[in-house]
Amino acid sequence: DAKTTQPTSMDCAEGRAANLPCNHSTISGNEYVYWYRQIHSQGPQYIIHGLKNNETNEMASLIITEDRKSSTLILPHATLRDTAVYYCIVSNRGTGTASKLTFGTGTRLQVTL
Amino acid sequence: DAGVIQSPRHEVTEMGQEVTLRCKPISGHNSLFWYRQTMMRGLELLIYFNNNVPIDDSGMPEDRFSAKMPNASFSTLKIQPSEPRDSAVYFCASRGGGYNEQFFGPGTRLTVL
Repeated sequence: DAKTTQPTSMDCAEGRAANLPCNHSTISGNEYVYWYRQIHSQGPQYIIHGLKNNETNEMASLIITEDRKSSTLILPHATLRDTAVYYCIVSNRGTGTASKLTFGTGTRLQVTL
Repeated sequence: DAGVIQSPRHEVTEMGQEVTLRCKPISGHNSLFWYRQTMMRGLELLIYFNNNVPIDDSGMPEDRFSAKMPNASFSTLKIQPSEPRDSAVYFCASRGGGYNEQFFGPGTRLTVL
């Protein structure tokens, strides 16, 4: 799997949008960008994934640059419950023997009042 | 669905003892993953199964660790003999679809004295 680079930590005020960047300059054509988060003492939670188009679901939006070398996860209205470590992971589709996730150190997002 | 179920949630044992961690994946999911998380090494994939068959065990640290999946609804991770450096949170995750959306259990916190 290609490697990713994320800032170590970020702060965000409650109610504001949280924009979490991720660089994945060595991503290959068949690899997807996945985002997970881990709230303290819990197992990681899937958020969203994308290939090249922007994606949105009930939790977040994912913006992928046209060259696919970077992406941004957007939490439109952050709440205190969004305080967590956010992992950006590049992986293939999810089938076959190479379909595993490699977690890095992620970005620790602190949402404050 | 109850999600991925892990037991026990906490385990304290003495060095040299055998430890067995258990996981029940989400019904219908055909892939199962075992991870270990420590402060020093982060979240590491130990082994994963597809259709009950071990696919990649390259993350298993040594012969003291073994994992089995006798059927689609149950898996075990065994450490024998246990050592203090095995102290960690062990997560089980399952996946059912064609993408890498994994559902994680609550984890087992293992302390080896």
